[in-house]
Amino acid sequence: AQSVAQPEDQVNVAEGNPLTVKCTYSVSGNPYLFWYVQYPNRGLQFLLKYITGDNLVKGSYGFEAEFNKSQTSFHLKKPSALVSDSALYFCAVRDRDSSYKLIFGSGTRLLVRP
Amino acid sequence: EAQVTQNPRYLITVTGKKLTVTCSQNMNHEYMSWYRQDPGLGLRQIYYSMNVEVTDKGDVPEGYKVSRKEKRNFPLILESPSPNQTSLYFCASSRKDSNQPQHFGDGTRLSIL
Repeated sequence: AQSVAQPEDQVNVAEGNPLTVKCTYSVSGNPYLFWYVQYPNRGLQFLLKYITGDNLVKGSYGFEAEFNKSQTSFHLKKPSALVSDSALYFCAVRDRDSSYKLIFGSGTRLLVRP
Repeated sequence: EAQVTQNPRYLITVTGKKLTVTCSQNMNHEYMSWYRQDPGLGLRQIYYSMNVEVTDKGDVPEGYKVSRKEKRNFPLILESPSPNQTSLYFCASSRKDSNQPQHFGDGTRLSIL
């Protein structure tokens, strides 16, 4: 069965330090991979996606993600965290060979302390 | 401004009273979808639609109906709501290509008493 795992419910980091939010997936074939961010009382906003090519993908607000096919991972990273990055982050996967079903992880809450 | 609009944003109602949550997008997107968000479970897909008059079940379709009579609208219908449908609901849309990111509405919080 297709699945997405975000092993950490919460990640705590100090402002200015690098951050990593982890995501691993189990999907047959070559998936499309996405990261979304959710701020309080708002819908999800798209951050970045991996389709093909370079394993390091750059997205909005200084975020980037590293695709690792052998480890089936797509970790979200940022070199220097901001307090305003505090939010709920979701990894999502879509099997490019199947229907348009999008599978989400359970979410990771990022807390950046001043 | 490109957006997905859901109404209502908040609703408290009682078991068995039919309700409809509307969703409208102004981006001429072919693909639309409904999700519910529950703590610890992330977002789970309820129904999606590839185009007008084309709908399909997601992971948790039981107790829900949808229709896609027009491209811009994709209402979610709860014919006989029950307390286990208390949740936060999101509508999303995107272009038809499966590598396209989805645009989300701001959510509808439903409480079924």
